[in-house]
Amino acid sequence: EAQVTQNPRYLITVTGKKLTVTCSQNMNHEYMSWYRQDPGLGLRQIYYSMNVEVTDKGDVPEGYKVSRKEKRNFPLILESPSPNQTSLYFCASSLRREGPQHFGDGTRLSIL
Amino acid sequence: QKEVEQDPGPLSVPEGAIVSLNCTYSNSAFQYFMWYRQYSRKGPELLMYTYSSGNKEDGRFTAQVDKSSKYISLFIRDSQPSDSATYLCAMGLTGGGNKLTFGTGTQLKVEL
Repeated sequence: EAQVTQNPRYLITVTGKKLTVTCSQNMNHEYMSWYRQDPGLGLRQIYYSMNVEVTDKGDVPEGYKVSRKEKRNFPLILESPSPNQTSLYFCASSLRREGPQHFGDGTRLSIL
Repeated sequence: QKEVEQDPGPLSVPEGAIVSLNCTYSNSAFQYFMWYRQYSRKGPELLMYTYSSGNKEDGRFTAQVDKSSKYISLFIRDSQPSDSATYLCAMGLTGGGNKLTFGTGTQLKVEL
């Protein structure tokens, strides 16, 4: 089954404690993205990747890092999380740069 | 002003009704358009993808794009309780990287 898998699905942690959210896709897609979803703001792109070792900033990259060492994986790293990063995070992948993206089921992060 | 405006609802309709969901946008450079359905605690699921003005039909769903008015619509015929979800419009630019710009979503409830 074609899917985008995120882990963990839920995480409560404290300010300043580094965390990583993993994302893996099994569709051999070139492009992968991270979005955050906040009430009243919709989904906003954090970072995206066009290929292995190639990444670029989205609209809200501050406080986040990403890496793409393998085509299937695109982890999101919060090196020093803060409460304003409490949100619902989605990983997505797509075959082409332009066109529909396929989303994972989300990771709900709470930073206390 | 947001680039994409979408009425948040909630919208409540009886089973069997025709549902009309709409988004307006301000950036005339948007070239491709999508509708996603999002159930609670799940990721956005692609419903419809269109690249040009006009109508596209898939089963009970019809997507309509009017680029001259910067207006897109999703129609759901013979609505079912299983259609109860949040519907997100999304759009992208040609040459705009891998970013989708989303509306904030309309919550739909189809009642028995």
